[in-house]
Amino acid sequence: GESVGLHLPTLSVQEGDNSIINCAYSNSASDYFIWYKQESGKGPQFIIDIRSNMDKRQGQRVTVLLNKTVKHLSLQIAATQPGDSAVYFCAGPVGSSNTGKLIFGQGTTLQVKP
Amino acid sequence: GAGVSQSPSNKVTEKGKDVELRCDPISGHTALYWYRQSLGQGLEFLIYFQGNSAPDKSGLPSDRFSAERTGGSVSTLTIQRTQQEDSAVYLCASSLGPSGANVLTFGAGSRLTVL
Repeated sequence: GESVGLHLPTLSVQEGDNSIINCAYSNSASDYFIWYKQESGKGPQFIIDIRSNMDKRQGQRVTVLLNKTVKHLSLQIAATQPGDSAVYFCAGPVGSSNTGKLIFGQGTTLQVKP
Repeated sequence: GAGVSQSPSNKVTEKGKDVELRCDPISGHTALYWYRQSLGQGLEFLIYFQGNSAPDKSGLPSDRFSAERTGGSVSTLTIQRTQQEDSAVYLCASSLGPSGANVLTFGAGSRLTVL
């Protein structure tokens, strides 16, 4: 079946450094991908998304890169801050769905060291 | 309200009991989703409501699980004859419409523990 997966379960970075969280997917038909941030005891919060006709999208301190050739996307966080500590999920649509019916990766826990 | 509201935030029940989890979506959001998150795992899709259309129940793990959405607003997820493997956080999300371009806003979840 289709899958979305993250490469590392845990990533530890120094405050101020850049963070890169990677994700692989299997569904070539996926039209878009989303990154979510989940803090302890809270629901996931939307960070940024990217459509399949784009290679790169930038937000505030975050950049998502999409490589359709190798079915890989990454989330880059610039100048990582303690408030960035959370679990990060990548997600993509189930099958050819164009809804919020998503398949999620297992998450990468980002730990920011002061 | 300003966000998606879920209740109860925590529920401890005995194996075999029925439980009901409630979701109050953002006003005006026509799409509503239920997901399940087991400990240390990603989210697993359960069910999706869009307006007055028949719900997409393709993610429900067994016939012990059911959900309804009354008046296009509040939704209730019911788990009958709970089992220990049902222990998880149940998350509700809503969005303006069905398109994947619409951002999902999640509630804080209902943590279910089945003893």
